[in-house]
Amino acid sequence: AQSVTQLDSHVSVSEGTPVLLRCNYSSSYSPSLFWYVQHPNKGLQLLLKYTSAATLVKGINGFEAEFKKSETSFHLTKPSAHMSDAAEYFCVVSDGSNYQLIWGAGTKLIIKP
Amino acid sequence: EAGVAQSPRYKIIEKRQSVAFWCNPISGHATLYWYQQILGQGPKLLIQFQNNGVVDDSQLPKDRFSAERLKGVDSTLKIQPAKLEDSAVYLCASSLDGGPLANTGELFFGEGSRLTVL
Repeated sequence: AQSVTQLDSHVSVSEGTPVLLRCNYSSSYSPSLFWYVQHPNKGLQLLLKYTSAATLVKGINGFEAEFKKSETSFHLTKPSAHMSDAAEYFCVVSDGSNYQLIWGAGTKLIIKP
Repeated sequence: EAGVAQSPRYKIIEKRQSVAFWCNPISGHATLYWYQQILGQGPKLLIQFQNNGVVDDSQLPKDRFSAERLKGVDSTLKIQPAKLEDSAVYLCASSLDGGPLANTGELFFGEGSRLTVL
């Protein structure tokens, strides 16, 4: 069965410094992977998705993620954090066999001025 | 383009009472999802509709939860009777076609309906 683990419940960085949100997955098939963002009192929004094309995926707002099969990881990064990046981020996996999305528990990103 | 609309945004009820949530997806979106998001957890799929047919309701507690999507457009999710553990945000999402893996399968979410059961 597929599963996804977000390794940090909270990440705090200073504005202008790099962001790293970690995600590991388990899947019996070639997975599709997604990152969603949820700003306070807003709906979830797709940041980026990996569906077996290029392993380095670029998303909106300067975020990118790299699919590493050997490490079963799909970490989300951004070179320089902005105050507007403060939100909760969810890593999501779908193994394609049943179209179900399995959601991680989320990582809350805190940006210090 | 109008987004996914949900109402009410907030609802407080006592246990054993009933509640209903409404969702209007983006126009033309065939697939509609209801998720439950408990505080500190990721969303959990309750039910997925393709047009007005149910694709997946395996995690819907059918003894108390029901959902319908008449005419393949808007949808209602009902809880009767409510329990304390039903306190959560109920998220509605829609996508253009058959699922998240399709080329146009991006899910668009509403702002959610926050339920508190006392």
